[in-house]
Amino acid sequence: RKEVEQDPGPFNVPEGATVAFNCTYSNSASQSFFWYRQDCRKEPKLLMSVYSSGNEDGRFTAQLNRASQYISLLIRDSKLSDSATYLCVVKYDYKLSFGAGTTVTVRA
Amino acid sequence: GAGVSQSPSNKVTEKGKDVELRCDPISGHTALYWYRQRLGQGLEFLIYFQGNSAPDKSGLPSDRFSAERTGESVSTLTIQRTQQEDSAVYLCASSLRTGGQPQHFGDGTRLSIL
Repeated sequence: RKEVEQDPGPFNVPEGATVAFNCTYSNSASQSFFWYRQDCRKEPKLLMSVYSSGNEDGRFTAQLNRASQYISLLIRDSKLSDSATYLCVVKYDYKLSFGAGTTVTVRA
Repeated sequence: GAGVSQSPSNKVTEKGKDVELRCDPISGHTALYWYRQRLGQGLEFLIYFQGNSAPDKSGLPSDRFSAERTGESVSTLTIQRTQQEDSAVYLCASSLRTGGQPQHFGDGTRLSIL
């Protein structure tokens, strides 16, 4: 079983739509959780950390359910510039485990 | 520059040749990671360096892979006797401290084995 599993998508949505997707992780001892964004043929960049209480960063909302080992990301009022692959990332000790990514395409 | 620098950006080589990939981390970042990303897949952890501590090599896929780092500076990843399955993007990342976030990634080296 992969350490981090994600719905690969793709999610094709119109501008202004809300899109949500999630991932699950297998290591119950995981300590920290993140969403990274990766544009086509570019390096991953940290989008936001994810906390159990849920957190927002502008149009992005992340949720963590430790009991279910489940992480979600919701994008509101999506923009063309949100088109990317979103990587679910889980940290244990110093190691990060990356999901394969969920591809989101926002169309005009 | 201020970011993580990797070279070469692209490398095409014949099967069986050795290749050396280079990573210059952000100055002052003590932690350095190497990852491999195959097409359409997630990042695979290869190796981790933290200061002068012994590196964590648990992700290296075979003994053809090795990596070095001098102190808290440049790192090189060497692949000997390359195989076609080694074709991937090799990404280097550094962070200010062990497990620190964010990890800052370089642009990667796109390796193609013919």
